[in-house]
Amino acid sequence: DARVTQTPRHKVTEMGQEVTMRCQPILGHNTVFWYRQTMMQGLELLAYFRNRAPLDDSGMPKDRFSAEMPDATLATLKIQPSEPRDSAVYFCASGLVYSGTVNQPQHFGDGTRLSIL
Amino acid sequence: KQEVTQIPAALSVPEGENLVLNCSFTDSAIYNLQWFRQDPGKGLTSLLLIQSSQREQTSGRLNASLDKSSGRSTLYIAASQPGDSATYLCAVITQGGSEKLVFGKGTKLTVNP
Repeated sequence: DARVTQTPRHKVTEMGQEVTMRCQPILGHNTVFWYRQTMMQGLELLAYFRNRAPLDDSGMPKDRFSAEMPDATLATLKIQPSEPRDSAVYFCASGLVYSGTVNQPQHFGDGTRLSIL
Repeated sequence: KQEVTQIPAALSVPEGENLVLNCSFTDSAIYNLQWFRQDPGKGLTSLLLIQSSQREQTSGRLNASLDKSSGRSTLYIAASQPGDSATYLCAVITQGGSEKLVFGKGTKLTVNP
């Protein structure tokens, strides 16, 4: 089965350090999503891309977070500088979306568990 | 702003019992509703997707229903098994909300042998 792959699976670092999380979407999927999951807020959408172009990053703190898709096989989410409140599980998901059709399920990776000390 | 609520937050049942998980949403103008399963330390697995024009979807022992007008969905699990133990999340895509999934906080299900 095709899968969304995320690295690293776990990351512990000190406040102020740069954190980079990577995602390999399923081959052929044209849409990539970044979510954050915390106990308090649940799952929240941070940003998403269609055909590598950013469509919406309104859920992301702009001053410290950045998301990119250097190519169709790689999406990255960076935090600089990191803060303890960024501790969460970050999920990447990919899907195949055609204009006017939003009825395909998203496929999720296993997440990056981030702890900022 | 779309809000999704799942009640109860946790549920514990004996093996073999049929059970229902509930999901409600505030804005009935949705494209679809999805049910996901999340195992500890894992990502989400899509279980069922119901389009706004549909009333229900079935997969094996799972049946999901949708009442869009009342903003409600249920996930019915028949003859529950210990392997069904997981957190079940409901999510909707709202019309005009592009492809954004809005999630509930989930129901943690424990099926006891």
